[in-house]
Amino acid sequence: GQQLNQSPQSMFIQEGEDVSMNCTSSSIFNTWLWYKQDPGEGPVLLIALYKAGELTSNGRLTAQFGITRKDSFLNISASIPSDVGIYFCAGQGMYSGGGADGLTFGKGTHLIIQP
Amino acid sequence: DGGITQSPKYLFRKEGQNVTLSCEQNLNHDAMYWYRQDPGQGLRLIYYSQIVNDFQKGDIAEGYSVSREKKESFPLTVTSAQKNPTAFYLCASSPSHGNTIYFGEGSWLTVV
Repeated sequence: GQQLNQSPQSMFIQEGEDVSMNCTSSSIFNTWLWYKQDPGEGPVLLIALYKAGELTSNGRLTAQFGITRKDSFLNISASIPSDVGIYFCAGQGMYSGGGADGLTFGKGTHLIIQP
Repeated sequence: DGGITQSPKYLFRKEGQNVTLSCEQNLNHDAMYWYRQDPGQGLRLIYYSQIVNDFQKGDIAEGYSVSREKKESFPLTVTSAQKNPTAFYLCASSPSHGNTIYFGEGSWLTVV
């Protein structure tokens, strides 16, 4: 099956710092999604990427779909306390059908911000 | 408001009991999903349904059952056959031809 590695597993940063996390796949993906999950809540979609090389921003968040189709990164600029949470990447393989039956999730990056 | 509603938020189950988690969506999405989340293990797919009256097993379907009698509803039953049911359960939905899925707020199930 498809393997998706998300790193780092956790990050301890100071408020105001920039954050970068990434996901890499063992095979080609045609869609990359980034979610944020607050404790005890469901994941919320942050950014969706559908095209290789695509760079998309959502406020202080920027995500890119890697040219090789095997990776994606998420950057958060000038972090604030409410950025704390778990960030998940998710990708869909090149030859999978539509819908989550072909969607693979990373194990998440825990972001912890020290005031 | 449009969205995905899961209930209850917290549920306690005695050993040997079946329990059902509710999931309702008013997004007019054709596809619905159930995931289980355990600490450090990310999201694992239990069951999914692409259309009414049809559903497929995901990666960890043993000990669970679902039904899809209405487009808006996709309840999950955790049966007594599920040996380790304590977890956070997430329902999700997506448009029939889209890859982007949207999640509900989750339900905590604890065995007592």
